[in-house]
Amino acid sequence: QQQVKQSPQSLIVQKGGISIINCAYENTAFDYFPWYQQFPGKGPALLIAIRPDVSEKKEGRFTISFNKSAKQFSLHIMDSQPGDSATYFCAASSLETSGSRLTFGEGTQLTVNP
Amino acid sequence: DAGITQSPRHKVTETGTPVTLRCHQTENHRYMYWYRQDPGHGLRLIHYSYGVKDTDKGEVSDGYSVSRSKTEDFLLTLESATSSQTSVYFCAISHTGTGNEKLFFGSGTQLSVL
Repeated sequence: QQQVKQSPQSLIVQKGGISIINCAYENTAFDYFPWYQQFPGKGPALLIAIRPDVSEKKEGRFTISFNKSAKQFSLHIMDSQPGDSATYFCAASSLETSGSRLTFGEGTQLTVNP
Repeated sequence: DAGITQSPRHKVTETGTPVTLRCHQTENHRYMYWYRQDPGHGLRLIHYSYGVKDTDKGEVSDGYSVSRSKTEDFLLTLESATSSQTSVYFCAISHTGTGNEKLFFGSGTQLSVL
């Protein structure tokens, strides 16, 4: 049972376009929602994260939108660049759980064409 | 990758043989984790450690055991490898283990069980 569901599985965007990846969660105890970026042959690396006390967080071209009532959150990449081509994972965890034990979504392979 | 070394990077083995993967960190972080990455499943937690000789199970721990005799080393053992354990294995570390803490990942071990 996947507690964090991610879509789409793959996404192709033209350079300069907006990339949008969506995630939905089931466990209402989750209260921390990070996004990780992974390049081929590398491990995932933290990109941006949000707590449920805010509805949006922006860092440069990357924005997380959070909808607590719908139990959904999404990653928006503005002005997408070929260098953004990677696999993106949403994740969730509970601050009450000991250890930084993240539950990950299935991943989205993003390709940005030049 | 944040002072994390996984070895080997690639391994091919036969069904029924024991396999040990090693994760070595130079960051002196207390928490260490083993995840497996599979298409359509994202990353799933196998086991984690919150100190020397202190370990606990994750969501997909069946068929795996771990050991941590030193702060810097976390070993993952497949006692009798099966084809379903063909995967990419990632080690991760974190400093305090709080739920909203950034995880640092190694570069992974590609394991093929024939």
